[in-house]
Amino acid sequence: DIQMTQSPSSLSASVGDRVTITCQASQDISKYLNWYQQKPGKAPKLLIYDASNLETGVPSRFSGSGSGTDFTFTISSLQAEDIATYYCQHYDNLPRFGGGTKVEIK
Amino acid sequence: VQLVESGGGLVKPGGSLRLSCAASGFTFSNAWMNWVRQAPGKGLEWVGRIKSKSDGGTTDYAAPVKGRFTISRDDSKNTMYLQMNSLKTEDTAVYYCSIHTIFGVVIDVWGQGTTVTVSS
Repeated sequence: DIQMTQSPSSLSASVGDRVTITCQASQDISKYLNWYQQKPGKAPKLLIYDASNLETGVPSRFSGSGSGTDFTFTISSLQAEDIATYYCQHYDNLPRFGGGTKVEIK
Repeated sequence: VQLVESGGGLVKPGGSLRLSCAASGFTFSNAWMNWVRQAPGKGLEWVGRIKSKSDGGTTDYAAPVKGRFTISRDDSKNTMYLQMNSLKTEDTAVYYCSIHTIFGVVIDVWGQGTTVTVSS
């Protein structure tokens, strides 16, 4: 099984800050990596698919990069409504989620 | 486009439960479908997946549920099922169904979730 290591597990940042989350796969997963946002009591929402493609309707302050084993998710300017937990997910073969990153406002 | 889960509830350890996921608004038969769960206060955990019949209709499962859970689909009813046997307390979670991909394209559609509680 491919393991997905996501870090940090939580972070606190100010509105307007640049926020970066990393996800590392235990083996090469090419571009088969999604990023989700989940707010309490809600189903996850897809933000980025295939490592770097912005889902339709998602604000452009969200972005993703990487391929192979190392991936990065960035919020260029954190907004209050971005408070949530973010997950990476390898979706090919046997899918696996990262452990999640809880983003809070400082 | 909608997915609606049903069938959750309270069950004793060792018991069984069958969840359903009713799909509408898209060609269900073309979709690879997932079950994903989230234990209270924990992260997302992929449970399993079923491919479209045209891609073999095969299933894959996460290690913690393999041999106990079975995913099936009835394309005539636009419904996917999760048969859960030999339930353990650690299976307590909100269970979501979601579209995995349609023709290899990631599609973001999730159900509202159904709660399964395994407790004596």
